[in-house]
Amino acid sequence: DTGVSQDPRHKITKRGQNVTFRCDPISEHNRLYWYRQTLGQGPEFLTYFQNEAQLEKSRLLSDRFSAERPKGSFSTLEIQRTEQGDSAMYLCASSFGLAGEFGPSTDTQYFGPGTRLTVL
Amino acid sequence: GESVGLHLPTLSVQEGDNSIINCAYSNSASDYFIWYKQESGKGPQFIIDIRSNMDKRQGQRVTVLLNKTVKHLSLQIAATQPGDSAVYFCAERSTSGTYKYIFGTGTRLKVLA
Repeated sequence: DTGVSQDPRHKITKRGQNVTFRCDPISEHNRLYWYRQTLGQGPEFLTYFQNEAQLEKSRLLSDRFSAERPKGSFSTLEIQRTEQGDSAMYLCASSFGLAGEFGPSTDTQYFGPGTRLTVL
Repeated sequence: GESVGLHLPTLSVQEGDNSIINCAYSNSASDYFIWYKQESGKGPQFIIDIRSNMDKRQGQRVTVLLNKTVKHLSLQIAATQPGDSAVYFCAERSTSGTYKYIFGTGTRLKVLA
């Protein structure tokens, strides 16, 4: 399978625990995105990497959230001291774009299957 | 602020009929749009895209129309099949420089046998 993969697919944790999710993008993609999706809503942007550089973080990403992409390949999203409000589907997407490109070119994002987090 | 919304939260169509799902966007500077299909428990799946310099784009059984004058997108599905039942999102690419996408709430398409 050459698509975006995420692990684990489901995570149940108790409030206050830390959790970490992993995303493996499509191999030739240099851009990686994390989104959060709650029931009945569209995905909400959390953060974006171009290669290993984290270029943007949403205000939704509180201090308890941290994301890394150390070698410009896979990425991890960690949530510390989880709260019930963190329960959601966490989606990863990847795309290919040329560095410094800001023109109207296509930059199709392909999504992984998501990690469903339930905080009890 | 920027937003992408959908006119109809649920659309029911008979199998074999054509479906039209509509979407309004608010940022006239957006340059790229994608329609995604999401089945229960899965991530969004790319269906078709369109750049802002186009009015129409066709794929296999799907057509996307873009009306920049009224900031409106539509997705047309020909000969709707039971496998088309899902939630459909339109996504608007932000022009802030980091290419994040802004999604609406979604429209659920139900195909009736």
